[in-house]
Amino acid sequence: VQLVESGGGVVQPGRSLRLSCVPSGFFFSSYGMSWVRQAPGKGLEWVSGISGSGGSSYYAASVKGRFTISRDDSQITLNLQMNSLRGEDTAVYYCARNRGHSGYDSVDYWGQGTLVIVSS
Amino acid sequence: AIQMTQSPSSLSASVGDRVTITCRASQGISNRVAWYQQKPGKAPNLLIFEASTLQSGVPSRFSGSGSGTDFTLTISSLQPEDFATYFCLQDNNYPLTFGQGTKVDIK
Repeated sequence: VQLVESGGGVVQPGRSLRLSCVPSGFFFSSYGMSWVRQAPGKGLEWVSGISGSGGSSYYAASVKGRFTISRDDSQITLNLQMNSLRGEDTAVYYCARNRGHSGYDSVDYWGQGTLVIVSS
Repeated sequence: AIQMTQSPSSLSASVGDRVTITCRASQGISNRVAWYQQKPGKAPNLLIFEASTLQSGVPSRFSGSGSGTDFTLTISSLQPEDFATYFCLQDNNYPLTFGQGTKVDIK
């Protein structure tokens, strides 16, 4: 199992960024997927999850209405569209595989993370 | 959202020590707790899921217990590679929530 994130970088407050994750080594459609972030020197925060079918998605209160998780099973990609970014969104963002099909489940495999810095 | 209160926030221990970390949920969550180990600059690694099930490949010195609101991660005999930060996670309800973490360092 491998998960490779991309799309991080430095962005101004209020702007948008799109993160992507390319999975390999497992049947993508069978698993829910999640995004988890970690601010510098801080703990882990679950951000969003999506079911294996893509029919259900879930968000942390801190990002609801600003972030959108999606998956493209034909392209085998997980995405996180992040709008109206704030300084407190600065973090390493990890793509992770859920243990099962559900959109909210503990995760068993993680990517290496991509750093998002929101700063003017 | 369910709050996971993890303790202690840090501890110092020696190789061979038995180490116990606890998480308390703000409401009952059955056995829906996972435990992760994270080393500096690395992604977390799943140790335990459903409170007590050892993830494949994880050494048997790690064990988990608990149900309802109180959960425990135990390392029976601490090894040099176990010095790291440990997090609990509840996946009974969304939003999923993590404990604040426990840093285990060398005494």
